[in-house]
Amino acid sequence: AQTVTQSQPEMSVQEAETVTLSCTYDTSESDYYLFWYKQPPSRQMILVIRQEAYKQQNATENRFSVNFQKAAKSFSLKISDSQLGDAAMYFCAYRKSSGDKLTFGTGTRLAVRP
Amino acid sequence: KAGVTQTPRYLIKTRGQQVTLSCSPISGHRSVSWYQQTPGQGLQFLFEYFSETQRNKGNFPGRFSGRQFSNSRSEMNVSTLELGDSALYLCASSSGTVGLTDTQYFGPGTRLTVL
Repeated sequence: AQTVTQSQPEMSVQEAETVTLSCTYDTSESDYYLFWYKQPPSRQMILVIRQEAYKQQNATENRFSVNFQKAAKSFSLKISDSQLGDAAMYFCAYRKSSGDKLTFGTGTRLAVRP
Repeated sequence: KAGVTQTPRYLIKTRGQQVTLSCSPISGHRSVSWYQQTPGQGLQFLFEYFSETQRNKGNFPGRFSGRQFSNSRSEMNVSTLELGDSALYLCASSSGTVGLTDTQYFGPGTRLTVL
């Protein structure tokens, strides 16, 4: 079974600084999808960024980028120029294929210091 | 496009009762998935419906069931509620087309409290 591990329960970053959240996963598949979701105090799960495993280029969405290391099965999220609104729980998620379920990590709570 | 909607947002029930939660997906999406989120177990997959058929199912007891209607709206039912069923229930919609990148978009959730 696929597993997703987030080893940092909590992280803190100064406003305007950069922070990296870690995620590792275990799978025997060669093609799959990886996601980062953000869950603010409102509890709404919001998609931050996604990566297709067959793409070598790391995904980027404005201030958010990933470092995808397929061989190491690592998928970290970098948040640049952190803002107060970035404070939330961040979940890394794996999906074997379209139509399959999402498998989530345990989450990293990010605090942003003003 | 309007996002995923879930009703009700909050619900309080007592043990032994049953409850029905509703989810309306993004227009044009045919897949609806349900997840349970608790502090102890994290986010766990319940089931997925596509074109009115259950396509995937997680490891939950038979007390948890669902269905999907022809307009893609989905309902989840929990019978004989237990204290441990207290959780945030999240619904996610996607196009459901296998073979293409198919991102799941989540609703705001229904907070169920069982007393």
